[in-house]
Amino acid sequence: GAVVSQHPSWVICKSGTSVKIECRSLDFQATTMFWYRQFPKQSLMLMATSNEGSKATYEQGVEKDKFLINHASLTLSTLTVTSAHPEDSSFYICSANRDSSSYNEQFFGPGTRLTVL
Amino acid sequence: DAKTTQPPSMDCAEGRAANLPCNHSTISGNEYVYWYRQIHSQGPQYIIHGLKNNETNEMASLIITEDRKSSTLILPHATLRDTAVYYCIVGAGKSTFGDGTTLTVKP
Repeated sequence: GAVVSQHPSWVICKSGTSVKIECRSLDFQATTMFWYRQFPKQSLMLMATSNEGSKATYEQGVEKDKFLINHASLTLSTLTVTSAHPEDSSFYICSANRDSSSYNEQFFGPGTRLTVL
Repeated sequence: DAKTTQPPSMDCAEGRAANLPCNHSTISGNEYVYWYRQIHSQGPQYIIHGLKNNETNEMASLIITEDRKSSTLILPHATLRDTAVYYCIVGAGKSTFGDGTTLTVKP
């Protein structure tokens, strides 16, 4: 099956710093990628839809200036958590829709664990 | 995207079939039903999907009712490694995750 990678798999940072998370589709092109956040014992919450070559669409309540998304190519989307604070500590997961698929074939990355001290 | 309703938890004996139900009464005609599972601290893993017909692959079977308002994921011979949270998702675009069903396979 298709593979989506995320880097880093985990990161610890100090409060006030920025953290960049990469999401790559390794063997397929993905015009559309999604970013999710998951807190302990909760379900995945969609944060934003990332479209190659255009601005991301953010879900209600997600600050676009705090969570910067860049989808510069058909295989890479990045999420930057700016001025991170302890409440931003979470498990961040990306997914990618395969362009060549006739249905919503979506593949998920392994996730990135962010801990803000 | 249509919403889904799943029981919060289920137990299953190892080696037995696990049947996980999902209600999606507001599904529209062109929306697929997808099933994913998530093992602790990992990204969701694709299991199976379907539109109208029942589907089977190496991991599971998917039974969709004729009115498409509900479906059942069947793991034919559950193992301890199948313990996970199972999510039923409906849609033709971005995925909205409900709370899923925590399946615990017991020896």
